[in-house]
Order: sequence, then C-alpha cells, then structure tokens
Amino acid sequence: SYVLTQPPSVSVAPGQTARITCGGTNIGSKSVPWYQQKPGQAPVLVVYDDSDRPSGIPERFSGSNSGNTATLTISRVEAGDEADYYCQVWDSSSDHVVFGGGTKLTVL
Amino acid sequence: QVQLVDSGGGVVQPGRSLRLSCAASGFIFKNYGMHWVRQAPGKGLEWVSVIWYDGSNKHYADSVKGRFTISRDNSKNTLNLQMNSLRAEDTAVYYCARDRRDVPIFVMDVWGQGTTVTVSS
Repeated sequence: SYVLTQPPSVSVAPGQTARITCGGTNIGSKSVPWYQQKPGQAPVLVVYDDSDRPSGIPERFSGSNSGNTATLTISRVEAGDEADYYCQVWDSSSDHVVFGGGTKLTVL
Repeated sequence: QVQLVDSGGGVVQPGRSLRLSCAASGFIFKNYGMHWVRQAPGKGLEWVSVIWYDGSNKHYADSVKGRFTISRDNSKNTLNLQMNSLRAEDTAVYYCARDRRDVPIFVMDVWGQGTTVTVSS
C-alpha cells in the first residue's frame, strides 16, 4: 500500500518560513491536499491540487509537488499557525485515501 | 452556511454495533461525494470510507471492510456509517467530510465537528 512520510515535528520562529514535507513514491504524479488541525478541532483544508487555496485561507499558505516530495510552505509564520498538518493522496491502485502521519508545527 | 453535523457516537461493548449520522445543510448534498475519517486518541487521521454523490460507488479502508457500511439518503441530506462487530481499535473521533466534487476527487473541503466512539467492555 502507498505510504506518505512526514516529519513528526517542525519548529520555526514567528515571521520565518516553515516548510513541511510529505514523501511518497512518485508523489509528483498525484494531487496532494493539505489539512490543518488545531487541538480539539476538526481538520481544515488549507491547500489542494498541490498549490490552490480554498477561500479564506491566507496567501501565506502555498504548496508544491515534484518527484517524490510534496511541500507545504507557510510564509511569515504566526502564532496562530501552530497546529498539526496532514498531507493526503488518493491511491488509485488500492482505491484508498492515504494520509501522512502528520507534522506538528511549533511556533517558537 | 455550509455545515456538517456528526452524531451517533457513544460507548459500546466490543462486538456490538453503532450507527453514525452526518446531517448536511447549506449546500446541495446530492451533488457531492462524502467521506468518513477517524482519529484515534492522540493519533493521526485515518480515512474510513467514501461514497459517490448518488451512492453508486463506495470504498472502504482495509481495517473496516466487511464490518462498516457507508450509505446516504439524499432526500434527507444525511450520510450514515453502520459499524458492526466493533473492536477496541475502532475507538476514535469520527468525522464526516465533503468531497469537492460529485464523483470524488478525494479533497475534503468541509468537515463535521466529529462524534466520539468508544469501544470498551
């Protein structure tokens, strides 16, 4: 089955740029949405189709995807961005949705 | 406003059954695929199941296949998850989520608030 690998944690100072990676075999050929989940809350879609944003999501959130790595980039990080972030794909070979293990973003 | 409200969770003994529901409002429910996603305590997100907009196609995670059944009632704007033969490892918060399209493209743009299922004797 398809596996997505994310770093367990990423730390960044306010105002800096956070990059959260999502590794998977030839993930660049797939569309990768990203979700933000704050403690005690439901997930929120922040990026889809690799780099598009739903309405209401700041332009500070962007995505890229190539080769074996997809990346969520958060520019000018704010304290309110502290959350868990999950990447996700559809694995057509198994007809399964697959989530990465999640990355906890800490704002120092 | 666009909203999904999850319900039906509770405490249940191993081997018993439970039925979750998700009430949709603020959008044309029959035009969207729908998912169930769960999250065990302190763990990450785990996809459970998806159903096409018209109920014509369904897929399940291996961990629940044969025990859980997803269904929908487009006349009542409701998504359901029938969970049978429950196990301790099914303990989780269960979320319903809307796909961005009728035939799913597997992007979940609206989520319910979640309902908690605890399987314990």
